[in-house]
Order: sequence, then C-alpha cells, then structure tokens
Amino acid sequence: QVQLVESGGGVVQPGGSLRLSCAASGFNFSSYAMHWVRQAPGKGLEWVAIIRYDESNKYYGDSVKGRFTISRDNTKNTLYLQMNSLRAEDTAVYYCAKDRVGATPEYWGQGTLVTVSS
Amino acid sequence: QSALTQPASVSGSPGQSITISCTGTSSDVGGYNYVSWYQQHPGKAPKLMIYEVGNRPSGVSNRFSGSKSGNTASLTISGLQAEDEADYYCSSYTSSSTRVFGGGTKLTVL
Repeated sequence: QVQLVESGGGVVQPGGSLRLSCAASGFNFSSYAMHWVRQAPGKGLEWVAIIRYDESNKYYGDSVKGRFTISRDNTKNTLYLQMNSLRAEDTAVYYCAKDRVGATPEYWGQGTLVTVSS
Repeated sequence: QSALTQPASVSGSPGQSITISCTGTSSDVGGYNYVSWYQQHPGKAPKLMIYEVGNRPSGVSNRFSGSKSGNTASLTISGLQAEDEADYYCSSYTSSSTRVFGGGTKLTVL
C-alpha cells in the first residue's frame, strides 16, 4: 500500500531555513508527480508546490514562490521541500501527497509540523 | 490565486442528504474537469473522496457524489452518518498549472 512519511519539521527562527523530506513506498515513485500541501493551525488547506515525475516542471503557490524549492531523488524514493526566508505565516503542518492525474493529490502522508518563531 | 469559495458550515440529521458548494472561476473550476473533494477528520490527514468532478476512488462509499455546473462544483452526501462529520475541502486544477483549495466546510451531523 502507498506510504508517505514526512520528516524534518521543527522550530526555526524567522528568516531561517529548513528542509523537509518525504519518504515514499508502496508505489513506483519515479512515475508520479508529487505535491506539498500545508495547513496552518486551525486553518484550511493551502497548496504549496508540485514536481513532475522527472523534475521537468515545478510549480509553486504565490505565497512561497521564490522562497521554497521542491525537488526529488528518484533513486531514494524521496521528495524534498527546501524552505528559505521563513516567516511566521509559514507555520503549518506540511503534507506530502502522491499525484493522481490532473495535478490531483491522491494519497497523503501524516504531515510534519513547522513552527516559525523567535 | 484566490481560494475557492465554500460555505463555512453545513449540517444535517442522520439519514438526510446535504450538498456542499464550491465556487471558482473559468480559470479553475469552470475550465477543467479536475475538481476533487477531500474529507478531513480532526488531527488526521485529508482523504480523497471525489476526483475529476464525479469519480469515487476505490473504497469510498457511493453515498458520496460530485457534480459541476459552470464555475461551481458540488459534493452531495446522502444517507448522512455520524462518521461523516468532518471538514470537507474542494480543490481544482488551475490555468497556471497549479492547484487551489477551497476554504473548507465543517459538516455537523445533528
């Protein structure tokens, strides 16, 4: 069965950086696009980024463009999110998700919490 | 990219049917048949309930159905059950090759 396990969350100061990882198993990772989606405490879902199966295309939400970078290592079945210039409003649970078709997040991990605070 | 518009809350009694609307624009909901719906229970990850407007993933009850008319998509849950109480989010592919979510709807089963 599809399994996605996020890691790398924690507390970071404003202006700092953090890299999240998502270990995938149970499917052919190198054949699917992958997403990052976040959820601030008590708030709704916000789409963050998508990367195509071969890294040919990457797209970002407006609020993270220029600060976050999505990448993947198909040899390690792992998705990454490099987050720079972090702000308090980036505080959220970050989920990775396997794509279906039409950039549809299908299966989701359990999430990792990022807290940006001094 | 502005969030899709959903009602903040809906409610219904067990056995009844409810419908949640999701309004976007011609650049997202109205322009593509890649509308999906997610269910999220407190403290849990979202679960895909409907994809491509009206398709159910394997294992999702046929009490859940989706449709679209113009720039508005809808999720209908029939035969409401206590376990349906959760937050529901719509989502759509956009003309920028990105994804956008609705603000979420809290479903209360009375």
